[in-house]
Amino acid sequence: DQQVKQNSPSLSVQEGRISILNCDYTNSMFDYFLWYKKYPAEGPTFLISISSIKDKNEDGRFTVFLNKSAKHLSLHIVPSQPGDSAVYFCAARSRTSGSRLTFGEGTQLTVNP
Amino acid sequence: NAGVTQTPKFQVLKTGQSMTLQCAQDMNHEYMSWYRQDPGMGLRLIHYSVGAGITDQGEVPNGYNVSRSTTEDFPLRLLSAAPSQTSVYFCATSTGSYQPQHFGDGTRLSIL
Repeated sequence: DQQVKQNSPSLSVQEGRISILNCDYTNSMFDYFLWYKKYPAEGPTFLISISSIKDKNEDGRFTVFLNKSAKHLSLHIVPSQPGDSAVYFCAARSRTSGSRLTFGEGTQLTVNP
Repeated sequence: NAGVTQTPKFQVLKTGQSMTLQCAQDMNHEYMSWYRQDPGMGLRLIHYSVGAGITDQGEVPNGYNVSRSTTEDFPLRLLSAAPSQTSVYFCATSTGSYQPQHFGDGTRLSIL
């Protein structure tokens, strides 16, 4: 039972354009969502998060949107840069899970020069 | 990833062997977790700890054992390695439930 799903295993965009990574969830108890970026042979690094009381959070080129009614969140990267090429994981925690996170499968983003 | 150190980086075991994956942190974080990453499955939680002396099971705990005798260290033990445990293992720490987790660089484990 995959409670957090990233349906696109890969995404390719041109440098300077927008990258949109999507994530769907099924557990209505999720109240905090995070995006992590992972380069090969390294651990995931935290990118941006959003609480369920908000519908948008912005940090520089990165914006996360949350649509609670659709149980959907997305990460927008504008403008995309070749250094953004990495695997992006969506993660969520619920009110009852403490510090435990549930991760999606990940999306490989490739930004072409 | 400064602050979370995982050793070894690579290990090859034979079926039935035991080993301990080490995780050490110098950030005084209370929360520590172990995840495994498998192709197409994201990261899955194995065990976690909310402080020294307290551990609990995650999503996929079978075949693994943990202990937390100090704030700094959270070792993961494989008692009798199986090929299904071939994976990349990540240790993570955080200061609290609503704080981002900081990951180590992982241990790539192959079991033959």
